[in-house]
Amino acid sequence: AQSVTQLGSHVSVSEGALVLLRCNYSSSVPPYLFWYVQYPNQGLQLLLKYTSAATLVKGINGFEAEFKKSETSFHLTKPSAHMSDAAEYFCAVSDRGGYQKVTFGTGTKLQVIP
Amino acid sequence: GAGVSQSPRYKVAKRGQDVALRCDPISGHVSLFWYQQALGQGPEFLTYFQNEAQLDKSGLPSDRFFAERPEGSVSTLKIQRTQQEDSAVYLCASSRGVAYGYTFGSGTRLTVV
Repeated sequence: AQSVTQLGSHVSVSEGALVLLRCNYSSSVPPYLFWYVQYPNQGLQLLLKYTSAATLVKGINGFEAEFKKSETSFHLTKPSAHMSDAAEYFCAVSDRGGYQKVTFGTGTKLQVIP
Repeated sequence: GAGVSQSPRYKVAKRGQDVALRCDPISGHVSLFWYQQALGQGPEFLTYFQNEAQLDKSGLPSDRFFAERPEGSVSTLKIQRTQQEDSAVYLCASSRGVAYGYTFGSGTRLTVV
């Protein structure tokens, strides 16, 4: 069964600094990979997804992620953090076939320091 | 509708009470999922519908949990004889295919006292 591991339950960055949130996946076949963001008391919003051959994926709000098969990683980055980026971020994985159940990681809470 | 709508947003239940949580997915989305999110955790899969068919209920934690989607649109998650460990946020998501990602509702926060 596929799974994801998010390294670091809490990450703090200064406003304007690089954001790097780490995610490693485990899957027997090339998976679909996702990053979702959750603001307090809200549902999850899709940031970006990897579903094709393009390994560098750009998403909303200036975020991007790179699929690295050799490292089984799908880390999320943003060059310059905004205060509004403070939220919880979830990495998720799904098989390409079957009925598409998505399995989520445990989340990384991002704090942005002014 | 434009998004996934869940009701109620908050529910406080006394232990032993039955509750029903509603999800109204995006029109035309055949896939519907229920997830449970405990405090400080990621969402955990509960069950999946394709139209009215419940194709996977392997994540339902006990036989007190029951979900239905009788007409392939609105879904209801029912929890019978609620326990304190049922306290969580229950998230509903719909999708037209995994490659598009899920669209989540805002969730129902259930507190069992």
